[in-house]
Amino acid sequence: GQQVMQIPQYQHVQEGEDFTTYCNSSTTLSNIQWYKQRPGGHPVFLIQLVKSGEVKKQKRLTFQFGEAKKNSSLHITATQTTDVGTYFCLRGTGNQFYFGTGTSLTVIP
Amino acid sequence: NAGVMQNPRHLVRRRGQEARLRCSPMKGHSHVYWYRQLPEEGLKFMVYLQKENIIDESGMPKERFSAEFPKEGPSILRIQQVVRGDSAAYFCASSTIHQQGGGETQYFGPGTRLLVL
Repeated sequence: GQQVMQIPQYQHVQEGEDFTTYCNSSTTLSNIQWYKQRPGGHPVFLIQLVKSGEVKKQKRLTFQFGEAKKNSSLHITATQTTDVGTYFCLRGTGNQFYFGTGTSLTVIP
Repeated sequence: NAGVMQNPRHLVRRRGQEARLRCSPMKGHSHVYWYRQLPEEGLKFMVYLQKENIIDESGMPKERFSAEFPKEGPSILRIQQVVRGDSAAYFCASSTIHQQGGGETQYFGPGTRLLVL
């Protein structure tokens, strides 16, 4: 259906290790957005991907959109404790929006 | 430029009471979205409104829930006769434009944490 699956659901890493979360859709996406939600906080927009195969970077964060526009990934290099939070992808369809199930990242100092 | 504002930030209600959640979008934003986040879960789309119009309420429960975005004033999410299962964080977001299929950046408010006793 419209659900966007994210894996993994939880990820614990040592500070300095890398982290990747994946979003997978059964249907082709027109675009995908990524948000970060700190514990107790609200979602904050990170990036939007539109083009097939698109790759965007923000400092230690790398976002990719699959060639078939059915999946996307967020990769964090050398995690820091400030990266703690839940990362969600968001797809829009019609007038509705569907968040991925989220990946909760814990960084162990 | 103030961000999206929501109040109250925390709301406690007893079963059967009404909860009114308010959202003031960012200046210049005419599109408002409401989401519900149950504890330890993701965000679920509830409703999309423009000024004086409900555009899509397919994610909102048919009973007890209603939303409005009047010409003047904030958007209101109203929950009548609350039950314990309504306990959740309710976030609103706003955007300057709206495109079918997404594409606009949504700016989220801090949320209202509703606790039903």
